Amino acid sequence: EPEVTQTPSHQVTQMGQEVILRCVPISNHLYFYWYRQILGQKVEFLVSFYNNEISEKSEIFDDQFSVERPDGSNFTLKIRSTKLEDSAMYFCASSEGGAQYFGAGTRLSVL
Amino acid sequence: SQKIEQNSEALNIQEGKTATLTCNYTNYSPAYLQWYRQDPGRGPVFLLLIRENEKEKRKERLKVTFDTTLKQSLFHITASQPADSATYLCAPYSSASKIIFGSGTRLSIRP
Repeated sequence: EPEVTQTPSHQVTQMGQEVILRCVPISNHLYFYWYRQILGQKVEFLVSFYNNEISEKSEIFDDQFSVERPDGSNFTLKIRSTKLEDSAMYFCASSEGGAQYFGAGTRLSVL
Repeated sequence: SQKIEQNSEALNIQEGKTATLTCNYTNYSPAYLQWYRQDPGRGPVFLLLIRENEKEKRKERLKVTFDTTLKQSLFHITASQPADSATYLCAPYSSASKIIFGSGTRLSIRP
């Protein structure tokens, strides 16, 4: 069964460093998303991507964040200068427009 | 602003009983509503999608209702089992570009 894969599973970084989180969505899906979940809190929408451009973004998704689909398979989230409060689980998801399929997540720890 | 409320932060149910979870939304009129399951440390898993013109949808032991007048969805698990213990998230939405989740209800089924 096709699945969304995310790498790495755990990323540790120093405050101020840039990180890139990677995702391979399900191949025939059209919509791609990034969510984050701070420990013990709700799943928060960051951004959606459709037709090679950002469709929607939340207030959390400020200038420090960017997304890219560099080729036909990968979908990346870049955080330019990480802050302590960026520590969270980051989930990638994809869909055909209905049900979303989530990856296992990347745990980002900012020290 | 749009608001999604899932009442009962936690729900404890005896095995074999029916668990009923509630999702209320305000300040918008979603055309669709999805329910997901999330286990600790994992990404959400899609369970059911219901459209605004559908009053009820079933899948095995799961049943979802969608009342657009009350702005409410109910999620039922019949003949509950300890393996059903998880956090359940609702996501009412109109556009596939922006799918926001409620904070979830943590369900515990005791043997």
